[in-house]
Amino acid sequence: QKEVEQDPGPLSVPEGAIVSLNCTYSNSAFQYFMWYRQYSRKGPELLMYTYSSGNKEDGRFTAQVDKSSKYISLFIRDSQPSDSATYLCAPSSNTGKLIFGQGTTLQVKP
Amino acid sequence: DGGITQSPKYLFRKEGQNVTLSCEQNLNHDAMYWYRQDPGQGLRLIYYSQIVNDFQKGDIAEGYSVSREKKESFPLTVTSAQKNPTAFYLCASKPGGGGNTGELFFGEGSRLTVL
Repeated sequence: QKEVEQDPGPLSVPEGAIVSLNCTYSNSAFQYFMWYRQYSRKGPELLMYTYSSGNKEDGRFTAQVDKSSKYISLFIRDSQPSDSATYLCAPSSNTGKLIFGQGTTLQVKP
Repeated sequence: DGGITQSPKYLFRKEGQNVTLSCEQNLNHDAMYWYRQDPGQGLRLIYYSQIVNDFQKGDIAEGYSVSREKKESFPLTVTSAQKNPTAFYLCASKPGGGGNTGELFFGEGSRLTVL
């Protein structure tokens, strides 16, 4: 079993839709949860960063962590064509080593 | 501007040849990393270095080698021993030591194709 599982998609939605991207993980030592966004042929960039359980909101993006079920979510409201990218979840423990999910490819159609 | 520069962006290699990918950062970060990205597999850690003149193997180090002679530079050599080297290679850095849980900063990647 992989430490982090993420549905690779692709996921295609119309502009303006609410998008839900999800990961599950198996290591209960994970305390830090990051979401990276990667545009085609580019390096990933940090989108959201949460610590432990709970929600964090940043503009149209909301990151949610449920440690009891080992479930990580990223919600995108009012999705835009510019949101089309691959989204990678990346939890880590106190060691600082990130474990990346496979990434979900999202396409937002105008 | 501060950042991470990877070169070359695209590289073609014949089987049996070694090739070195360059990674330079001017962010004054202590820790540097090399990842490999294949379709459907996410990012896998090849090597990392928390300080100059020291580095550790990651999860898939076989067939790769690195050096860390300067804080700014962390080149990766893909040797002929690497069985399936065609991939997208990403270099990253992080402030503080490797145990820091802060953000990883990535370069734009190098795409290696073995013919």
